[in-house]
Amino acid sequence: GAVVSQHPSRVICKSGTSVKIECRSLDFQATTMFWYRQFPKQSLMLMATSNEGSKATYEQGVEKDKFLINHASLTLSTLTVTSAHPEDSSFYICSAPLATFYGYTFGSGTRLTVV
Amino acid sequence: DAKTTQPPSMDCAEGRAANLPCNHSTISGNEYVYWYRQIHSQGPQYIIHGLKNNETNEMASLIITEDRKSSTLILPHATLRDTAVYYCIVRTTNTGNQFYFGTGTSLTVIP
Repeated sequence: GAVVSQHPSRVICKSGTSVKIECRSLDFQATTMFWYRQFPKQSLMLMATSNEGSKATYEQGVEKDKFLINHASLTLSTLTVTSAHPEDSSFYICSAPLATFYGYTFGSGTRLTVV
Repeated sequence: DAKTTQPPSMDCAEGRAANLPCNHSTISGNEYVYWYRQIHSQGPQYIIHGLKNNETNEMASLIITEDRKSSTLILPHATLRDTAVYYCIVRTTNTGNQFYFGTGTSLTVIP
């Protein structure tokens, strides 16, 4: 079945540094990908919609200059958390829509810890 | 997309059926009902979806009321591995439409 591969699964970084998270569609093309953030014991919150070849669309309240999204090809979207702070520590999840059943397939998530 | 309401938590005995309800009273005619689950620290996993008719697959059954204002996900024989947060989502089939997650139901399967 269609798989979205997300890397890294875990990352620890120092405050002020940047971290890049990759999301790849392995056996299908994804013109659109979605990025979610999930804090402990909370639901997934949509951060942004990544569009191949164009600018991402950010949800209200999400800083586009802090969470840089690049969707340079039909199989790869990246999320870069710039100048990370401890409050950015969270579980980040990407997903891509599937035309076969009009649903989504999700990556396995990235646990970001900023120290 | 329509909002959904789910109980925050439920328990189920291992081997018994788990019935998870979802209210979606503002659902539109072209919106499907989707169910996903999330096991701790993993990405959500697709379970089942439907429009009007009841649906069944190898994982679960989905019962949608005739007025489509509510639905029930049924796990026929719950196992400990079914312990997860279950999300009910309604949306159209436009693949550009995002999934907005509600709070879900935390299901605990008890030995």
